[in-house]
Amino acid sequence: GENVEQHPSTLSVQEGDSAVIKCTYSDSASNYFPWYKQELGKRPQLIIDIRSNVGEKKDQRIAVTLNKTAKHFSLHITETQPEDSAVYFCAASFTMDTGRRALTFGSGTRLQVQP
Amino acid sequence: ETGVTQSPTHLIKTRGQQVTLRCSSQSGHNTVSWYQQALGQGPQFIFQYYREEENGRGNFPPRFSGLQFPNYSSELNVNALELDDSALYLCASSFRQGSYEQYFGPGTRLTVT
Repeated sequence: GENVEQHPSTLSVQEGDSAVIKCTYSDSASNYFPWYKQELGKRPQLIIDIRSNVGEKKDQRIAVTLNKTAKHFSLHITETQPEDSAVYFCAASFTMDTGRRALTFGSGTRLQVQP
Repeated sequence: ETGVTQSPTHLIKTRGQQVTLRCSSQSGHNTVSWYQQALGQGPQFIFQYYREEENGRGNFPPRFSGLQFPNYSSELNVNALELDDSALYLCASSFRQGSYEQYFGPGTRLTVT
């Protein structure tokens, strides 16, 4: 099955700096890569996603890049703010025996933005 | 904020007992997936339902079972609870089977003692 590795497990940055979180995946058939933000005690929220037919996608201060050849994708947050502090999860789609798709998640990165 | 809701919020059970967790999908979403999130870990896929049938299952034993109803709401049932079943259980709904985007509910925190 699909395996997703995520690093670093913790990341501390100063407010205003950039943060980068990296993930690798094993299934070359994966074609959808979402990122979720989970604040303490809350549900994971979809913040950005990318499909395999593009290499980069931006949404204001957030961007995601995908390298299909190397099977890795990254989340970039610029001009970090204290409210960006949370746990971030990457995920990759995989196809089940039934032919349907589901998601495999990374183990998460705890981002701490120091004011 | 998504329209996916889950109940109950918290639950404490004893080892060996059975539990039922509930999920109401966002309006118009007909596919629901269930995940188990252990403390400090990412969500792990349990199974997915579409049109009241199980679509696929992750690496979970048969004592984890589910249902989906005609209104697309869903249940997760766990029999013979074990201590390791303690986790946050999340459901996520999608607009249609095969749709990429999944939106999570707030989860049910299950503690097994």
